[in-house]
Amino acid sequence: NAGVTQTPKFQVLKTGQSMTLQCAQDMNHNSMYWYRQDPGMGLRLIYYSASEGTTDKGEVPNGYNVSRLNKREFSLRLESAAPSQTSVYFCASSEGGDAQYFGPGTRLTVT
Amino acid sequence: QKEVEQNSGPLSVPEGAIASLNCTYSDRGSQSFFWYRQYSGKSPELIMFIYSNGDKEDGRFTAQLNKASQYVSLLIRDSQPSDSATYLCAVNVYVDSNYQLIWGAGTKLIIKP
Repeated sequence: NAGVTQTPKFQVLKTGQSMTLQCAQDMNHNSMYWYRQDPGMGLRLIYYSASEGTTDKGEVPNGYNVSRLNKREFSLRLESAAPSQTSVYFCASSEGGDAQYFGPGTRLTVT
Repeated sequence: QKEVEQNSGPLSVPEGAIASLNCTYSDRGSQSFFWYRQYSGKSPELIMFIYSNGDKEDGRFTAQLNKASQYVSLLIRDSQPSDSATYLCAVNVYVDSNYQLIWGAGTKLIIKP
């Protein structure tokens, strides 16, 4: 039982490059989330998916897109990376409004 | 604007003492409250949840909830250096027909040997 997994763990991009962050959960949760966390800051919600087939914007969605591929997988795409997107990205899952469980994170640097 | 407020710290506590972490929230409709621990460079880890007014104990941790005053606290008894971390408070709210968690910015706790 792996919980929430994320790939890659680290990534360096040049400005303008694109990439997709992958997330999968094996807890049969309906809801999944993407957060970013900047140094010394709290978690900021980028996008979430309350159930398979639905996605909604969070607090900071600009520059990102998401896909809820199936119940297990929720990906985050940066179409044209900018230095302001340098951050740690966490994926989480939950059953409704209950506790969220986090993946190990992806550390992204955009130069 | 639904908010969760925490003192950013750092809160410095001697080893063996009680650490007290506080959190206030703005949405009176919130029903579930969570405490997470985040070590530097790691992801948040759930340590306690509480749904009802009063105290809930789990080992050295006690969560306290007062819905009338809209605050939730976390007590850590017999603090250990391994408790040094940032503690995040999260509160569930109903937004756009879905439940979400609203997060505090976290309190950095330092346990001094």
